[in-house]
This record gives sequence, structure tokens and C-alpha cells, in this order.
Amino acid sequence: KQEVTQIPAALSVPEGENLVLNCSFTDSAIYNLQWFRQDPGKGLTSLLLIQSSQREQTSGRLNASLDKSSGRSTLYIAASQPGDSATYLCAVMNYGGSQGNLIFGKGTKLSVKP
Amino acid sequence: GAVVSQHPSWVICKSGTSVKIECRSLDFQATTMFWYRQFPKQSLMLMATSNEGSKATYEQGVEKDKFLINHASLTLSTLTVTSAHPEDSSFYICSASHDDRVWAHTDTQYFGPGTRLTVL
Repeated sequence: KQEVTQIPAALSVPEGENLVLNCSFTDSAIYNLQWFRQDPGKGLTSLLLIQSSQREQTSGRLNASLDKSSGRSTLYIAASQPGDSATYLCAVMNYGGSQGNLIFGKGTKLSVKP
Repeated sequence: GAVVSQHPSWVICKSGTSVKIECRSLDFQATTMFWYRQFPKQSLMLMATSNEGSKATYEQGVEKDKFLINHASLTLSTLTVTSAHPEDSSFYICSASHDDRVWAHTDTQYFGPGTRLTVL
């Protein structure tokens, strides 16, 4: 059974710092991995999607890497801003099981202090 | 583009009543919609997958008679929590995918803003 773990559960940094969020998954047979952002009481915004054949994806100040064989992904946020404060969720889509079934981690709650 | 809305954004109801939550894709046709549930400080968990015009597929452990899903059109899916109890209190989020590419695992899901259900 696929399990997704995110470390740390919470992170507080001063504005301007570069930071790394970690995601690990137990079953490397995945189609893709996504990073989402969730603001309090809100839905999810997809940040980056990495197909299993890819190693990384970049969007603006965000860079996500994928090492499928070791079951790890990292989300790198450069020059963090207070507006980056949110919960970041990692999710994988498995082979087998329900089609389109995303398996989520519990998230990392990020707070960027001005 | 790719906006998904949910209504209501929050609802409080008495134990034993039924609550209907709507999920709409505003600017695209969604062949497939998904319903997730999120308990506090827990992961989102997929409850069911619905395809327009057919019966929903429920995940293991989700009671299909309690959580009724209807996907009557390409832009609307509804989740009805029947005979709600306090343990059903949760954050319910839907997502929608453009078309059958989700079955090829290449399409992304677009998420609604969620509905906070509190059962007293």
C-alpha cells in the first residue's frame, strides 16, 4: 500500500530564505507526482506535476525534483516571501488501484515571517 | 481557465439530516470528477470517482449508500451525505479533470475550494 510522508510537518523561516520541502513514498511504481499548495480552509492549487519519466520541473521560484528509484521528491522554494505561507502537499498517482487516484501526504505547513 | 467551484463553502446541520454538496466545472467539461475528504491534520483521502452518466466508483471503506454521488452532466457532480452524524464532520473537496486523459495518467486534476461540513 502506497504511503506518502512529508517532512517536516511544519517550517518557519524568515523572508528571503531558500528552503526545501521533502516528500517520500514507499512504492516507486508511480505515474506521476504533484506538489500542491493549500491555503487555510481552501482547496488545492497545483504547483508542479512531474511525470515518472522526468527528473524535475521548474516554475518561477519553485523547483521540484523526483528520484523515483529512491522514492523521494523535493520542492525547492527560492527567496521565500510571506505570500508563500501555506500548507504544501505532495501527492503521487499509482499504477493500479483507482484510475486517477492521488495519494496525498499530510503536508508541510510553511510560515514565512516578514 | 480550469476553474472548479463548490457550493456551499460551509454548512452546519443537525445529526440525522442529509446535506448536498455541489461541484461544478465552470469553464470546461469534466468527464471525471473526484470526491475527497480531509480530516484535521490528516491527508486528503479519495472517497469516490464519478464519471458523467454512470455510477460512481467508491474507495474501500466508503459507504456508497451514505455518500450518494450523482454526476448528471459534464459540469456538475453532487455529493449527498445522508443521515449525517458528527463523525462525518470534515472538509470535503472535489476535483475535476478535462477529459479521459486522466485515465492515461497524464492529465491534472483541478480542485474546488472545498466545503466544511459540521454535524452537530
